Amino acid sequence: AQSVTQPDIHITVSEGASLELRCNYSYGATPYLFWYVQSPGQGLQLLLKYFSGDTLVQGIKGFEAEFKRSQSSFNLRKPSVHWSDAAEYFCAVGARAGGTSYGKLTFGQGTILTVHP
Amino acid sequence: DAGVIQSPRHEVTEMGQEVTLRCKPISGHNSLFWYRQTMMRGLELLIYFNNNVPIDDSGMPEDRFSAKMPNASFSTLKIQPSEPRDSAVYFCASSLTVTVNSPLHFGNGTRLTVT
Repeated sequence: AQSVTQPDIHITVSEGASLELRCNYSYGATPYLFWYVQSPGQGLQLLLKYFSGDTLVQGIKGFEAEFKRSQSSFNLRKPSVHWSDAAEYFCAVGARAGGTSYGKLTFGQGTILTVHP
Repeated sequence: DAGVIQSPRHEVTEMGQEVTLRCKPISGHNSLFWYRQTMMRGLELLIYFNNNVPIDDSGMPEDRFSAKMPNASFSTLKIQPSEPRDSAVYFCASSLTVTVNSPLHFGNGTRLTVT
């Protein structure tokens, strides 16, 4: 079974600083990987996804993530953080079997991002 | 597009009462998922449907939990009887297809408090 670890429960950065949120996954095959963001009182919104091809994927709101198979990682990055980026971020891995797989995602525990002015 | 609509946003009930959570998926989406979010366990998939048919309910914690999808535009998650440990935020999500490469669209959740 797949699993996801987000080592950092809470990260604080200053506005304008760069950001990297860590995500490590465990899965026997090539994974489907996702990053979602959750603002307070809201549902989760998809930031970006990786299925195959270029290991550096671009998402919405200026975020990007890099898939590194050798490290089983899919870290999320942003070069300059804005105060509106304060939220909780979830990494998720999806099962993949054969030509298709159902959308059963396993989520990490989340990383809360605080942005200081 | 109105997005996934969940009701109520907040529900407070007493232990032993029946609770019904409601979800309207995005029109045209064929798959619907119910998740539960708690501080201790994070996001857990409870059950999901494809074309109104339950596909995997292995995440439903107990027989007290049941979910239905009578048509493509409506689903319910029922807890009977409710217990304090059921307190959580319950999310409904929908996607175009059941395949994992079809992104999930989440509702804003129902915060359930059982006293």
